Amino acid sequence: AQSVTQLGSHVSVSEGALVLLRCNYSSSVPPYLFWYVQYPNQGLQLLLKYTSAATLVKGINGFEAEFKKSETSFHLTKPSAHMSDAAEYFCAVSREDSGAGSYQLTFGKGTKLSVIP
Amino acid sequence: ETGVTQSPTHLIKTRGQQVTLRCSSQSGHNTVSWYQQALGQGPQFIFQYYREEENGRGNFPPRFSGLQFPNYSSELNVNALELDDSALYLCASSTPGPTNTGELFFGEGSRLTVL
Repeated sequence: AQSVTQLGSHVSVSEGALVLLRCNYSSSVPPYLFWYVQYPNQGLQLLLKYTSAATLVKGINGFEAEFKKSETSFHLTKPSAHMSDAAEYFCAVSREDSGAGSYQLTFGKGTKLSVIP
Repeated sequence: ETGVTQSPTHLIKTRGQQVTLRCSSQSGHNTVSWYQQALGQGPQFIFQYYREEENGRGNFPPRFSGLQFPNYSSELNVNALELDDSALYLCASSTPGPTNTGELFFGEGSRLTVL
């Protein structure tokens, strides 16, 4: 069984400050990991994904995440927060539904990021 | 390129009723997944459709059912609605095969309120 834990349901940072959103996962097989962002009243948009290539993954809007197998972590960072980054962020792990040939995502509960001017 | 579109965007039902939600997949995508996102929670996998057949299911009761049509669009049907079914229902499309590692493209969702 897979699970994702996001530490901190709400994170506040000042504009221009470092953004760090934490994600730990458990998976019985090498995982595929994702970060999605959800703006108010919208669906989810893919920020970045890890699929066993480079451990440091760069995504859109200046975000990046580092896969650390020893720590089972996939934390999301951005060097300098912008007001437009205010949204909810979801970490997710993917697994293949055995025998069905399909992939399903298991999401964390989300972290709401507020950016203070 | 047309993205994932869902309808209706909002609806209100009463307990015991039935509801149908609709989804058109992104152009070129032939796999559709449905997720339920309760307030303050992450999305939870309901099921996936590929080639008009259910191709994976999460921990949801049989009163949650779906269809996929030849044009890859999809419906989610929920019978005997319960108060706990109130949620945002998200449709996502993707392409199958070894290059797909779970990356999904989501619509904006249908918000269902059950009274």
